[in-house]
Amino acid sequence: DTEVTQTPKHLVMGMTNKKSLKCEQHMGHRAMYWYKQKAKKPPELMFVYSYEKLSINESVPSRFSPECPNSSLLNLHLHALQPEDSALYLCASSPIGGDSDEQFFGPGTRLTVL
Amino acid sequence: GDSVTQMEGPVTLSEEACLTINCTYTATGYPSLFWYVQYPGEGLQLLLKATKADDKGSNKGFEATYRKETTSFHLEKGSVQVSDSAVYFCALSGYNKLIFGAGTRLAVHP
Repeated sequence: DTEVTQTPKHLVMGMTNKKSLKCEQHMGHRAMYWYKQKAKKPPELMFVYSYEKLSINESVPSRFSPECPNSSLLNLHLHALQPEDSALYLCASSPIGGDSDEQFFGPGTRLTVL
Repeated sequence: GDSVTQMEGPVTLSEEACLTINCTYTATGYPSLFWYVQYPGEGLQLLLKATKADDKGSNKGFEATYRKETTSFHLEKGSVQVSDSAVYFCALSGYNKLIFGAGTRLAVHP
């Protein structure tokens, strides 16, 4: 299995809702990432997990809460989002200690906040 | 800090034309360099990579050479197809993360 999967593919939520995005990989990668991508922009890094521990938080608002329950799963819990949080949310994974730090991306969850 | 600069798009070409998308970088160490491609409505796919100076990455007819002396990693293809229409991102690895260029949109017309 050489892919990263993300669910759901699309999500529409209100500003008072709580929802979660899920990401899974079975490549044995021990680094996992959340990115946010607005239209016509490159992905912006949000969080990095290394060996299931949060290693980078790029000053993301607390309404985004990541969780890494095991080495294959990565969640992003959403609460009290704003319309400007509407974007494509991408998950990625990579091996640690590899020769190139290549990241493998999932297809993304397209989030709309009403 | 480390950064990547890509030529601005959009780039519009006819089928079978030659493609060059320029990418230059600034880095304190010796990063790996990547080209990712994003088709409409999809995530990013790794197109090619190079891990050290003078390495040439290639895939699907695309090529890029890691040039340390000019700090460049230009993407080239000799004959583009309509199916190559996408956004192309140049990136470098550093400090446990990827640093992306702004992206270049390529539109290929029949």
